[in-house]
Amino acid sequence: DGGITQSPKYLFRKEGQNVTLSCEQNLNHDAMYWYRQDPGQGLRLIYYSQIVNDFQKGDIAEGYSVSREKKESFPLTVTSAQKNPTAFYLCASKVEETQYFGPGTRLLVL
Amino acid sequence: ILNVEQSPQSLHVQEGDSTNFTCSFPSSNFYALHWYRWETAKSPEALFVMTLNGDEKKKGRISATLNTKEGYSYLYIKGSQPEDSATYLCAFMGSSNTGKLIFGQGTTLQVKP
Repeated sequence: DGGITQSPKYLFRKEGQNVTLSCEQNLNHDAMYWYRQDPGQGLRLIYYSQIVNDFQKGDIAEGYSVSREKKESFPLTVTSAQKNPTAFYLCASKVEETQYFGPGTRLLVL
Repeated sequence: ILNVEQSPQSLHVQEGDSTNFTCSFPSSNFYALHWYRWETAKSPEALFVMTLNGDEKKKGRISATLNTKEGYSYLYIKGSQPEDSATYLCAFMGSSNTGKLIFGQGTTLQVKP
C-alpha cells in the first residue's frame, strides 16, 4: 500500500536530549514537509524539502534540524535547543498541489 | 505575517442539520486554498484544492465556495451525519512554487445522533 508512515507514535524526550522523528513515503513524491501542532493553533511549518539533498526552513525552524538524503525519507531531529518540544508532529508529502499526511508522532518531555 | 482565520472554533449540531463554516485568508498573492478533514486518530485528508475566484467544488454532501477578491471560503455540509464529526482545516497557499501552506486553527464539528 502506498502512503506515509511516521514512527514512533509516541516519543519521550529527556531534558537536554536530541530525538529523531521518522517520516517515510513510498508515493514517489519529491516534496516533503514537517508541521507542528499545538492546542488551539493551526499547523505550523517547521522545515520543507522540494527535492533530495535540499531543504528550507519554515516558520518555526529554531531548535530543529532535518536531512533529505533519500527521496523516501525526511527525518526531523528535535534538538536540545528546542525549549518547548511537547507537541504533535505531522509529516506530509506533496504531488501537484495536494499534501498527503502521515499519522503523526506525539512528543512528550519527561 | 500572513494570517488564516477559521470560524467558528467548534460547532455541535444534530444529525440531519446542515451547517457551514468560514475560512478567511489574505486576498493578495493568492495561489490556492485547501480544505482538509481531520478525524480523530487519523491523518488529515484532502477535501478540496480551489484556485479560481467564484469556484465551487462538491464531494458528496460537502461543498465549498471561494472568493479570492475578499479573501474567504465557505465549507458547507448538507444533512450532517455522525461520521462527519472531525476537525476541518483550511490552508492558504500564496503565489510561490514552494507548496508552503499556512493553516487556520480549524473548526471542530461534532454531529450528535
